[in-house]
Amino acid sequence: KAGVTQTPRYLIKTRGQQVTLSCSPISGHRSVSWYQQTPGQGLQFLFEYFSETQRNKGNFPGRFSGRQFSNSRSEMNVSTLELGDSALYLCASSLARGTYTDTQYFGPGTRLTVL
Amino acid sequence: TQLLEQSPQFLSIQEGENLTVYCNSSSVFSSLQWYRQEPGEGPVLLVTVVTGGEVKKLKRLTFQFGDARKDSSLHITAAQPGDTGLYLCAGAPLGTDKLIFGTGTRLQVFP
Repeated sequence: KAGVTQTPRYLIKTRGQQVTLSCSPISGHRSVSWYQQTPGQGLQFLFEYFSETQRNKGNFPGRFSGRQFSNSRSEMNVSTLELGDSALYLCASSLARGTYTDTQYFGPGTRLTVL
Repeated sequence: TQLLEQSPQFLSIQEGENLTVYCNSSSVFSSLQWYRQEPGEGPVLLVTVVTGGEVKKLKRLTFQFGDARKDSSLHITAAQPGDTGLYLCAGAPLGTDKLIFGTGTRLQVFP
């Protein structure tokens, strides 16, 4: 079974631009969660989608948004990029909903650098 | 506010040594998970501990959940270079369903 895939793996943007990251979950998984990982703040929860609905949201500004499609693939968007948005963005999928009740499988992440 | 504090932050040891990583909080958790993350990859779940006082063994790794479900530890016996990586504890505080990750412990095992 193929694992979680994320595209692109690396991205360089400049301040003020926007970016869209993509995540394809493991086949059959309906829940997709997004996390931001930085050296200073560690791994922080962004949001979770289940059956195309956002079920949970972390403490991030409205510039961070996401969506999930009917095939469970998910995208996250960051608008008006800031230098502090430079991070590794991780996507995780699980069979059912819930960020801790089911095993989450993480993708390799997208490394975003904002110049 | 970081609810899960891990110690030590960094650990550099020789192959064959034993080590313990701690994950502490003032909050009660319904369960705690331990992950290992290697460079260029996402975290991989190692274990989930659910019951207070629970001890789980995974080959050379021993995981313990505190009686009060506020803390956990990971003990590695006879560490090997393949154990090198970032170890993260994670859990959802009781009454919430948002997974919170610990500050992380970066382990380097030298041959």
